[in-house]
Amino acid sequence: DAGVTQSPTHLIKTRGQQVTLRCSPKSGHDTVSWYQQALGQGPQFIFQYYEEEERQRGNFPDRFSGHQFPNYSSELNVNALLLGDSALYLCASSFLEANVLTFGAGSRLTVL
Amino acid sequence: DQQVKQNSPSLSVQEGRISILNCDYTNSMFDYFLWYKKYPAEGPTFLISISSIKDKNEDGRFTVFLNKSAKHLSLHIVPSQPGDSAVYFCAFNSGNTGKLIFGQGTTLQVKP
Repeated sequence: DAGVTQSPTHLIKTRGQQVTLRCSPKSGHDTVSWYQQALGQGPQFIFQYYEEEERQRGNFPDRFSGHQFPNYSSELNVNALLLGDSALYLCASSFLEANVLTFGAGSRLTVL
Repeated sequence: DQQVKQNSPSLSVQEGRISILNCDYTNSMFDYFLWYKKYPAEGPTFLISISSIKDKNEDGRFTVFLNKSAKHLSLHIVPSQPGDSAVYFCAFNSGNTGKLIFGQGTTLQVKP
């Protein structure tokens, strides 16, 4: 069981650019959530996808968008990057929006 | 609006002794409470949980206590082992939605 896999593991972008992060959920899971973890902070909920639709959204601007594909994998897109977007982006999966989430190792984004 | 607080950024204990990690919350709508553990370069992993209808849940060396009147959650690890050294996050939810609110984390160091 591969668990939750995320790519890329690290990336560096400059202000104003756009980034796409990818996530494959754990086998058997159908719900994908994305979290942002800034340095020294706990993960913050960005949004959740189930049945290819955004079901819930946290307090993040529209620059953050996502997608879920028929195979349950997901993408997180961030437009017009700001320095403050530098963080670890975590993808988590679950079955039927359950509370116990399985997390990936994350994608470390640095915005210069 | 910080709904969850882990007031101790770090904790150091001797191997074999008890580790007690604490979390305070303000939202009385929370009805599901979890602890996650995070090692460097890995995603958070689920440790133990408790629902609002209980005040204690045990799983081996790990026990979670919930004091609803005080809005306080704690995790006891007995006996502590060096492999327990990690960052511990409390997380909360209201309803079975999969949207978790995380604390800021406590770094536990267990010394041999």
